[in-house]
Amino acid sequence: GDSVTQMEGPVTLSEEAFLTINCTYTATGYPSLFWYVQYPGEGLQLLLKATKADDKGSNKGFEATYRKETTSFHLEKGSVQVSDSAVYFCALGPQGGSEKLVFGKGTKLTVNP
Amino acid sequence: DTAVSQTPKYLVTQMGNDKSIKCEQNLGHDTMYWYKQDSKKFLKIMFSYNNKELIINETVPNRFSPKSPDKAHLNLHINSLELGDSAVYFCASSRGSPGVNTEAFFGQGTRLTVV
Repeated sequence: GDSVTQMEGPVTLSEEAFLTINCTYTATGYPSLFWYVQYPGEGLQLLLKATKADDKGSNKGFEATYRKETTSFHLEKGSVQVSDSAVYFCALGPQGGSEKLVFGKGTKLTVNP
Repeated sequence: DTAVSQTPKYLVTQMGNDKSIKCEQNLGHDTMYWYKQDSKKFLKIMFSYNNKELIINETVPNRFSPKSPDKAHLNLHINSLELGDSAVYFCASSRGSPGVNTEAFFGQGTRLTVV
């Protein structure tokens, strides 16, 4: 079945460091791909998305490119801030009539001042 | 104005009790979901309703019963609570299938603790 694999956390960085969170997926078709973010004590929010191969999603300085050849959707940010501390989830959109998003296990990011 | 609201935010209860979690969305969406997030932050879908009809029912104990009185509400009732039911439960909604050009909007979660 469809699945998403994210790099294990936690990830701890200093402010202004470069961030990469790896995400790879397994799917039979051509799903949409998403990154969601969960700030402490809150629900999930969509951070960015890409709907087809080579699309780049971007928001709040974060970027991810849909790479069909490597089945990846890695999240990057050039300079993280303390306020970026959160749990990040990679997700695969529904296919084949299924209505569900398939989430990765989440990667906790802590940014220290 | 909260788009997807869940109540209660925290719920502490004893084993064997029956409890309900309510969810309402004011976005006019057709599809609503319940997700369970365990202590390791792993998110797994439990149920999905589209226009009040059940469309996803993952392998969830039948102690869990969703009820959708109308398109804007999806409540989760849990019978005979067990320690392993302790988790954060998230309600979500989307305009249709959360695929192309749509997204799922999540509530703030209900932290259920069974003691």
